[in-house]
Amino acid sequence: DAGVIQSPRHEVTEMGQEVTLRCKPISGHNSLFWYRQTMMRGLELLIYFNNNVPIDDSGMPEDRFSAKMPNASFSTLKIQPSEPRDSAVYFCASRVEQGGNQPQHFGDGTRLSIL
Amino acid sequence: AQSVSQHNHHVILSEAASLELGCNYSYGGTVNLFWYVQYPGQHLQLLLKYFSGDPLVKGIKGFEAEFIKSKFSFNLRKPSVQWSDTAEYFCAVASGGSYIPTFGRGTSLIVHP
Repeated sequence: DAGVIQSPRHEVTEMGQEVTLRCKPISGHNSLFWYRQTMMRGLELLIYFNNNVPIDDSGMPEDRFSAKMPNASFSTLKIQPSEPRDSAVYFCASRVEQGGNQPQHFGDGTRLSIL
Repeated sequence: AQSVSQHNHHVILSEAASLELGCNYSYGGTVNLFWYVQYPGQHLQLLLKYFSGDPLVKGIKGFEAEFIKSKFSFNLRKPSVQWSDTAEYFCAVASGGSYIPTFGRGTSLIVHP
């Protein structure tokens, strides 16, 4: 079991640049979540996909953020243009949908710093 | 909307002390409950979960949690902590049709050797 794989692990870029975060969920998991973690706000859900379809994107901060899941084994979270307040650790998690009683499996996260 | 409260934001203990971290949630219907641990610089890992049956749940590394439905609580306990338990602990509650988990703000635990 390779676990949830995220890339890059660290990203430092200047404000205004486009940032793309990537996630490969565990094979067989049909739900995928993107979270943002900061000291101030804790762990915030950004978007939730089920069977590659976005189900709840109410946590996406604004139009600068977009997420896609073109197939069951890959998802991206894009920020364009990036701003310093986007600096955070971004986690991807996946799980098997089974009435919500299955735990989420988290990736190692992407630590994003916008200068 | 579901809300999850972890009242202890920071806890500092000495090794061998007993631990109890509080978790309360707001939704009164059917819930699935989880505790996750995040060691420094690492991702969240599942400690234990509850979705039915015995309300006293045992997890990994000697942790346990008790679901008290009348109190909307799912407190985490460990009788004797170790230095290696230093980490951030998150309570999560999944409810409603989509069972999207809502996470508490987390409790930072520091255990002094």
